[in-house]
Amino acid sequence: DQQVKQNSPSLSVQEGRISILNCDYTNSMFDYFLWYKKYPAEGPTFLISISSIKDKNEDGRFTVFLNKSAKHLSLHIVPSQPGDSAVYFCAAARDQTGANNLFFGTGTRLTVIP
Amino acid sequence: DTAVSQTPKYLVTQMGNDKSIKCEQNLGHDTMYWYKQDSKKFLKIMFSYNNKELIINETVPNRFSPKSPDKAHLNLHINSLELGDSAVYFCASSHSAGGSKLFFGSGTQLSVL
Repeated sequence: DQQVKQNSPSLSVQEGRISILNCDYTNSMFDYFLWYKKYPAEGPTFLISISSIKDKNEDGRFTVFLNKSAKHLSLHIVPSQPGDSAVYFCAAARDQTGANNLFFGTGTRLTVIP
Repeated sequence: DTAVSQTPKYLVTQMGNDKSIKCEQNLGHDTMYWYKQDSKKFLKIMFSYNNKELIINETVPNRFSPKSPDKAHLNLHINSLELGDSAVYFCASSHSAGGSKLFFGSGTQLSVL
């Protein structure tokens, strides 16, 4: 039962342009959303999060947008840099307090072309 | 200093064997986890553990058991390994108060032949 979906397994973007990674979820009880970034041979690292009371959260070049009615969130990276090349995982939880109910998508591999 | 470290990085073994993966965190976190990433790239929680409570994902076979000698360590023991156990296993930790923000180890690639 895949409650969090990332339908694009890969994305290629030119350096300096915008990268947009998308994520859809099915469970309307999800209230907290996170993006993790993973380099090869490393574990995922936390990137940015958003609570359902917001529709946007920004941290430097990274912005996450949440559309609750569409059960959709996206991660925007502007401008994209070669070091951003990694696999990006979307995750969703019913609240912020525990990871026991944290559901991950299957990831999108971003390649930023110099 | 690695915040969450797990060993070994690669583990190749025969069906039926028993193996362990070790995990240590030096972040002072009170909750630790084991995740499995299967061939379809799904990251799924197997266990979460703090000094009060072990929560087991009900889909995890009882051949898998976590062992925590102290709150900085959570090892994973697997008995009677099967071909389907081949996957990447990630250890992670968090503060119980900020639980969804996880810190992951670099993973253990387990291959069962």
